[in-house]
Amino acid sequence: AQSVTQLDSQVPVFEEAPVELRCNYSSSVSVYLFWYVQYPNQGLQLLLKYLSGSTLVKGINGFEAEFNKSQTSFHLRKPSVHISDTAEYFCAIVNQGGKLIFGQGTELSVKP
Amino acid sequence: DAGVIQSPRHEVTEMGQEVTLRCKPISGHDYLFWYRQTMMRGLELLIYFNNNVPIDDSGMPEDRFSAKMPNASFSTLKIQPSEPRDSAVYFCASSFGLAGLTTDTQYFGPGTRLTVL
Repeated sequence: AQSVTQLDSQVPVFEEAPVELRCNYSSSVSVYLFWYVQYPNQGLQLLLKYLSGSTLVKGINGFEAEFNKSQTSFHLRKPSVHISDTAEYFCAIVNQGGKLIFGQGTELSVKP
Repeated sequence: DAGVIQSPRHEVTEMGQEVTLRCKPISGHDYLFWYRQTMMRGLELLIYFNNNVPIDDSGMPEDRFSAKMPNASFSTLKIQPSEPRDSAVYFCASSFGLAGLTTDTQYFGPGTRLTVL
């Protein structure tokens, strides 16, 4: 069965610093991976997705993620974060039935 | 487009009462999903519909939960009777296709925060 593990539940970082949010996946079939962001009191919004092709995926708000098949990872990165990036971030994988399976989430807290 | 619309945004009720959550998907989307989010269990898919037909309800926790989609622009999730452990944020999402099988994405509503006392 497909699953995702987000390795950090909370990531505090200072404004303008780089950040990496880690996600590892488990799957025995073709992999479709997503990162969603949830701002306080809002629904989830897609940041980026990997379906096939280039392993470096660029998303909205300056985020990017790299699909690494050998390490079964799909880490999310941003070179310089803003206060407004404070949110919860979810990694997700599509299972064989086409359903999204979400990780537990990583709370990114950007401090001035 | 206004996006996925959910109502109410907040609901506080007493144990044993019936609760109905409502969702209007994005026009033209043929898939609709109901999720529940809690601190303990994270985001869980409860049920999803394709062209108004329930396809997979394996995530529905028990018979107290039911969902309907009478037409392409409206769905309800009902809990009867409600219990304190049902307290959570319930999200509705819609898409053109199942995530990954097309290039389309699930679009989430703002959620309904349910508190059962």
